[in-house]
Amino acid sequence: AIQMTQSPSSLSASVGDRVTITCRASQGIRNDLGWYQQTPGKPPKLLIFGASKLESGVPSRFSGSGSGTDFTLTISNLQPEDFATYYCLQDYSYPYAFGQGTKVEIK
Amino acid sequence: QVQLVQSGAEVQKPGASVKVSCKASGYKFIDYYVHWVRQAPGQGLEWMGWINPKTGDTYYAQKFQGRVTMTRDTSVSIVYMELSRLTSDDTAVFYCARDLLMGDVQGWFDPWGQGTLVTVSS
Repeated sequence: AIQMTQSPSSLSASVGDRVTITCRASQGIRNDLGWYQQTPGKPPKLLIFGASKLESGVPSRFSGSGSGTDFTLTISNLQPEDFATYYCLQDYSYPYAFGQGTKVEIK
Repeated sequence: QVQLVQSGAEVQKPGASVKVSCKASGYKFIDYYVHWVRQAPGQGLEWMGWINPKTGDTYYAQKFQGRVTMTRDTSVSIVYMELSRLTSDDTAVFYCARDLLMGDVQGWFDPWGQGTLVTVSS
């Protein structure tokens, strides 16, 4: 099974900062990767699919990049509503696998 | 609007089974795969498998094979997830989630149900 490793597991940032979260797959997954945002008590929300495609309605300050084994989610100009936990998900092969999550906290 | 609404919280005893429902609305039910995802308290997300509402075909993660059954009722646009032989490790929020695009199965989940808390306790 493919393992997904996110880093960092948590970070502190300020409103207006640029934040980068990485996700590494244990083997190549082409661009079959999505990014999700979850706030406490809510279901996850799809931000990015196909590694770099922005889901409809998601602010353009979110962007994704990468292919193969290394992927990045970037949030430019961090906003108060962006403080949340972020997960990557590989859908290249079964079982689909999430990263362990990255919690973005207020500095 | 496109929506998935799940059944309410459950408390079950160890060894029992639980069946969670997920009612779809706002789109053509049979055109989109539905997945189930588990999240233990304070933990990350775990994919369990999918069901094709058109055919009833399913795929389960190996971890859950033999214990999970996903079914659907097309007459009322509901998918079900039943998990048997529950242990305390199964205490979690269970989410249903629809594939983003119609047609073949993907791993892009939007929208999600609101989640159903299943507590396993004697």
